[in-house]
Amino acid sequence: RKEVEQDPGPFNVPEGATVAFNCTYSNSASQSFFWYRQDCRKEPKLLMSVYSSGNEDGRFTAQLNRASQYISLLIRDSKLSDSATYLCVVNNDGGFKTIFGAGTRLFVKA
Amino acid sequence: NAGVMQNPRHLVRRRGQEARLRCSPMKGHSHVYWYRQLPEEGLKFMVYLQKENIIDESGMPKERFSAEFPKEGPSILRIQQVVRGDSAAYFCASSSGQLEQFFGPGTRLTVL
Repeated sequence: RKEVEQDPGPFNVPEGATVAFNCTYSNSASQSFFWYRQDCRKEPKLLMSVYSSGNEDGRFTAQLNRASQYISLLIRDSKLSDSATYLCVVNNDGGFKTIFGAGTRLFVKA
Repeated sequence: NAGVMQNPRHLVRRRGQEARLRCSPMKGHSHVYWYRQLPEEGLKFMVYLQKENIIDESGMPKERFSAEFPKEGPSILRIQQVVRGDSAAYFCASSSGQLEQFFGPGTRLTVL
């Protein structure tokens, strides 16, 4: 089992749709969690951190379920510019080990 | 406040040559990470360094690859005797510790 697993993609959605990505992690002692976004041929960029209480930033909502060891990202009212690969990231070992998921590609179409 | 800087952005080498990739972390960051990304694939962790120390090199190939982060100057990822399979994007990231990482723009290595 991979340490961090993401939904296989790609997701193809129309503009305005709501789309949800899930990510599971295997190490129950994992401490911090993030979602990154990577555009084609560019570097990954931090989208948001994920907190136990859940957090929201505009159209984006991140949730963490420690009991089930999964993280989710919800994007509401999708825009064309949301098209990208979304990476789930988990920190273990007191932050000394960072593991990236393989990413889920999203295509938002007009 | 400059972000993570990498140079060169593009590097072309012939098989057998050496490639040196440089990374300057964000100001105030002392943790540096190197990743490799092959076309149409995900990021693969290579090595994690702090100043003058290699913390985790579990993702580094056993031969030809080395990394350093000296007390002064940028972190260097060195690939000796490059082969075609080394062609990839190499990303560097930095952090201030147990927090989120910030990435540089990457170096695209092409081996002819």
